[in-house]
Amino acid sequence: DTAVSQTPKYLVTQMGNDKSIKCEQNLGHDTMYWYKQDSKKFLKIMFSYNNKELIINETVPNRFSPKSPDKAHLNLHINSLELGDSAVYFCASSPAGGTYEQYFGPGTRLTVT
Amino acid sequence: KQEVTQIPAALSVPEGENLVLNCSFTDSAIYNLQWFRQDPGKGLTSLLLIQSSQREQTSGRLNASLDKSSGRSTLYIAASQPGDSATYLCAVRTGGYNKLIFGAGTRLAVHP
Repeated sequence: DTAVSQTPKYLVTQMGNDKSIKCEQNLGHDTMYWYKQDSKKFLKIMFSYNNKELIINETVPNRFSPKSPDKAHLNLHINSLELGDSAVYFCASSPAGGTYEQYFGPGTRLTVT
Repeated sequence: KQEVTQIPAALSVPEGENLVLNCSFTDSAIYNLQWFRQDPGKGLTSLLLIQSSQREQTSGRLNASLDKSSGRSTLYIAASQPGDSATYLCAVRTGGYNKLIFGAGTRLAVHP
């Protein structure tokens, strides 16, 4: 009964490959997010979707493409992986009203070799 | 541009001490502020959320205060325990789309 889940937990791949990370939330939230935590542990937002519509798109390379098939799922696809993409990627969700409190998934550690 | 700073970057204390973690932000136009805990290799756990109209929130041994006009928040942990060892992150919600801007965190170690 995990609230926000991500798969896979670990992902090791080579430069140039294409990979996807999946996220699902069972909290009934309308808004979902992707954050990146780099090697210095700084968390930065990448994207946000509200009811399957993109509402935040930070300065992220075009190689990153989020996709929201429904409001409970937000997947992140990364093309032509580079060494600098190595990081921990966190998915989060929040209601679209009230406190807007964000709930985070366990993270996916991506290592590009 | 909103920037969030957390001081100290790391803290090591003996068990039982009361301690204060600091968070400052450059733009006082925030909607709310969240304190999170991150254990090594794990996700973020939300500890407390303070709305911009509130001055403090309490949960168990944790108390968070907010002074929006001066751009500061503190997280007070009473009677610290080894289980409190983790990285504590402060984040402010800014803008209309619920974007969180995070600080770099304070790494806390509580030793027996």
